[in-house]
Amino acid sequence: KQEVTQIPAALSVPEGENLVLNCSFTDSAIYNLQWFRQDPGKGLTSLLLIQSSQREQTSGRLNASLDKSSGRSTLYIAASQPGDSATYLCAVKGSIGNTPLVFGKGTRLSVIA
Amino acid sequence: NAGVTQTPKFRILKIGQSMTLQCTQDMNHNYMYWYRQDPGMGLKLIYYSVGAGITDKGEVPNGYNVSRSTTEDFPLRLELAAPSQTSVYFCASSYTGTGGSTDGYTFGSGTRLTVV
Repeated sequence: KQEVTQIPAALSVPEGENLVLNCSFTDSAIYNLQWFRQDPGKGLTSLLLIQSSQREQTSGRLNASLDKSSGRSTLYIAASQPGDSATYLCAVKGSIGNTPLVFGKGTRLSVIA
Repeated sequence: NAGVTQTPKFRILKIGQSMTLQCTQDMNHNYMYWYRQDPGMGLKLIYYSVGAGITDKGEVPNGYNVSRSTTEDFPLRLELAAPSQTSVYFCASSYTGTGGSTDGYTFGSGTRLTVV
C-alpha cells in the first residue's frame, strides 16, 4: 500500500526566504506526482504535475523535483511571500491499474512579513 | 468553464438523517473521485468512478454510496449520518486517470458537513 509522508508538518519563515518542502513515498511504481496548494477553508489548487519520466517541473517561483528511485520529491519556493502562506499537499498516482491519487498530510506554511 | 462544482457548501445533519452531496464536472472527464479530509489527516479516498456506470470503493467507503449515471455527475449519498462522518468532502475529476501529461486532478471547493 502506497504511503506518502510530508516533512515538516508546519513551517514558518520570514518573507523573502527560499524554502524546500519534502515529500516521500513508499512505492516507486508511480505514474505521476502532483503538488497542490490549499488555502484555509478552500479546495485544492494544482500547482505542478511531474510525470514519472521527468525530473522536475517549474512554474514561476515554484520548482518541483522528482527522484522516483528513492521515492522523494521536493517543492522549492523561491523568494517567499506572505501570499504563499497555505497548506501544500503532495500526492502520487500509482502505475498499477486505476489507482487514484494518494495524498500526504500536507505541510502548513506561514510566511511572515 | 466551471470545472468541478459541489453543492451544498455547508450542511448540518442530525444523527440518522440522510443526504446527497452533489458533484458535477463540465470538462468531459472520465474519472471522478470523492475524498474526505479530516483535520491533520490528509485526504482519504471514499469512492471513485472510471466512467458512467462504473464505481469502485476507495480506502474509507463504509457509510457511503455513489452512483454514476452520466459522465458529468457523481453524487455521494450518506444514508444514516453518524458523527464520525463530520468532515470536509471534496469531489475531483481527471481525464483518463492514467498519468498523461495533462492528467492532473481538478478539485471542487468542498462541502463542509457536520453531524450532530
